Amino acid sequence: NAGVTQTPKFRILKIGQSMTLQCAQDMNHNYMYWYRQDPGMGLKLIYYSVGAGITDKGEVPNGYNVSRSTTEDFPLRLELAAPSQTSVYFCASSYSDRVLYSNQPQHFGDGTRLSIL
Amino acid sequence: GQQVMQIPQYQHVQEGEDFTTYCNSSTTLSNIQWYKQRPGGHPVFLIQLVKSGEVKKQKRLTFQFGEAKKNSSLHITATQTTDVGTYFCAGRGKAAGNKLTFGGGTRVLVKP
Repeated sequence: NAGVTQTPKFRILKIGQSMTLQCAQDMNHNYMYWYRQDPGMGLKLIYYSVGAGITDKGEVPNGYNVSRSTTEDFPLRLELAAPSQTSVYFCASSYSDRVLYSNQPQHFGDGTRLSIL
Repeated sequence: GQQVMQIPQYQHVQEGEDFTTYCNSSTTLSNIQWYKQRPGGHPVFLIQLVKSGEVKKQKRLTFQFGEAKKNSSLHITATQTTDVGTYFCAGRGKAAGNKLTFGGGTRVLVKP
């Protein structure tokens, strides 16, 4: 199992450009998440998904969009890149049994380091 | 909303010494998780605490969940250079729609 795979690992964008950060997991996890981590700071939840076709906003969703057409993939879209979006982006996945309400740990990808100039 | 705070923000430790980092939530939690992030790496799950007053040990690491389920601590004994990194707590509670809320982390530097 590869776990959670994020591409690209690094990217430099110009202000106003758009791009999609890719995230894929092969653990058949129902929950997936996108976080951003600014230098020296903690993790802020951008968007999350509890299953294919279902997405919801996290703490800092402005300027981002997501989709979840399959269980495996959860891409994050930046439409108009701004310098404030310079950060490290982590995708994570977990399994949550909504009947038993058993919350399993989150598995993180290696991150995408994004600079917007 | 739910806020999770960690103190201290930075911890400089002499190799071989013990230290404790603390995690405090503004609301009652259903469970709390701890993660470690090595410099340049991604967060890696360490442990989950669920019960009030629960204590779990992993070798030199001792994790505790407070009786009121609003705070937690991580105690490391005989610190080694391999303990370098940032330790995050993440709490799950009804106030945040049962999503994980991460603390700001404690950055640990070890002096050999």
